[in-house]
Amino acid sequence: DAKTTQPNSMESNEEEPVHLPCNHSTISGTDYIHWYRQLPSQGPEYVIHGLTSNVNNRMASLAIAEDRKSSTLILHRATLRDAAVYYCILRDSNSGNTPLVFGKGTRLSVIA
Amino acid sequence: GAVVSQHPSRVICKSGTSVKIECRSLDFQATTMFWYRQFPKKSLMLMATSNEGSKATYEQGVEKDKFLINHASLTLSTLTVTSAHPEDSSFYICSGSGRAPYNEQFFGPGTRLTVL
Repeated sequence: DAKTTQPNSMESNEEEPVHLPCNHSTISGTDYIHWYRQLPSQGPEYVIHGLTSNVNNRMASLAIAEDRKSSTLILHRATLRDAAVYYCILRDSNSGNTPLVFGKGTRLSVIA
Repeated sequence: GAVVSQHPSRVICKSGTSVKIECRSLDFQATTMFWYRQFPKKSLMLMATSNEGSKATYEQGVEKDKFLINHASLTLSTLTVTSAHPEDSSFYICSGSGRAPYNEQFFGPGTRLTVL
């Protein structure tokens, strides 16, 4: 799977939007962009994924650059419960049942 | 999303003893289960991949005789840490996969192992 680059940490005020960036300049045409997050002392949970078009769900939005070399996870109103490590992961749609490979992710702190 | 459970959620054991961790997919059949290990402030590291009814495939550097993985059914995989040492203390996380067509991975809540 292609590599991703994320900032080590970010901070946000409660109730404000948060934009978490991810660079993936070596992305291939069949790579999906996945975002997972891990709350303290818990297993990772799925947030959102996309291929080319922007995606929205109840948790977040995913904005994908036109050249697909970067993407941004958007939390529209950060809450204290959103404090977690967010992982941006590329997964080849042709890879079959291969495991997700986690990088270092971005540790998001939310300030009340 | 689908639900994966782990048991126990935390365990403390003495050096030299063995500990078994169970991973169950509650509402789907996991043809493949993955085991990860996570040290404090670090990312998840894949330990092994197991397919139902087959021997597990271990990542480089993971001792297969120390970390015994069994995937006897489509809903249960177990990880046994044999002759545990304090350096085996870690957060162990399993995930199940098997729902086509996307083969999404669903993660368990993790098991914190402390070896005294």
